[in-house]
Amino acid sequence: ETGVTQTPRHLVMGMTNKKSLKCEQHLGHNAMYWYKQSAKKPLELMFVYNFKEQTENNSVPSRFSPECPNSSHLFLHLHTLQPEDSALYLCASSQADTGYEQYFGPGTRLTVT
Amino acid sequence: AQSVTQLGSHVSVSEGALVLLRCNYSSSVPPYLFWYVQYPNQGLQLLLKYTSAATLVKGINGFEAEFKKSETSFHLTKPSAHMSDAAEYFCAVSDVTDKLIFGTGTRLQVFP
Repeated sequence: ETGVTQTPRHLVMGMTNKKSLKCEQHLGHNAMYWYKQSAKKPLELMFVYNFKEQTENNSVPSRFSPECPNSSHLFLHLHTLQPEDSALYLCASSQADTGYEQYFGPGTRLTVT
Repeated sequence: AQSVTQLGSHVSVSEGALVLLRCNYSSSVPPYLFWYVQYPNQGLQLLLKYTSAATLVKGINGFEAEFKKSETSFHLTKPSAHMSDAAEYFCAVSDVTDKLIFGTGTRLQVFP
């Protein structure tokens, strides 16, 4: 595997379900990010992890719970979601001392029913 | 605080015509600037970046962008559009805490 991978690519869940999104980066980076991309809205930064420590939480509801067990893996645990949470969830990684460009995974298309 | 404005949420060009996608930025420090492209149902792919070296930056797929400090602009151009260029394009600026601030995106349509 190369770059940034995300699983699953598509997920349909009910409002009472619990599921997790997984992201893995194979680039040796030290920072990872979760973004939410909804139709007709700007890209929203949700969480930032730097050296496995959470450094940013952009007022994200507690029904979204991130986990970063090591610098290569990032999870987003989901529970009791709302229909408005349906979106494309993108993971990205970067190396802070190389110009800050972020490399993105293909995303998980989440539909909450 | 850093911010990015992309003028025009939709741009349409004919195949073979010039592509010009506009981006203006606001930054309190010398900026790092980026253009990303997103094809349907995919993540964002880095097209090019400016990091205070040459003001004219060449990227992938024949795209380039020019950093103009006096105009606080970083417009993306391609001399001749191809059907495969149809996608959404995002301009971004980095802030001092290693976050990227994205514009709202410009959807490029290419007509035969």
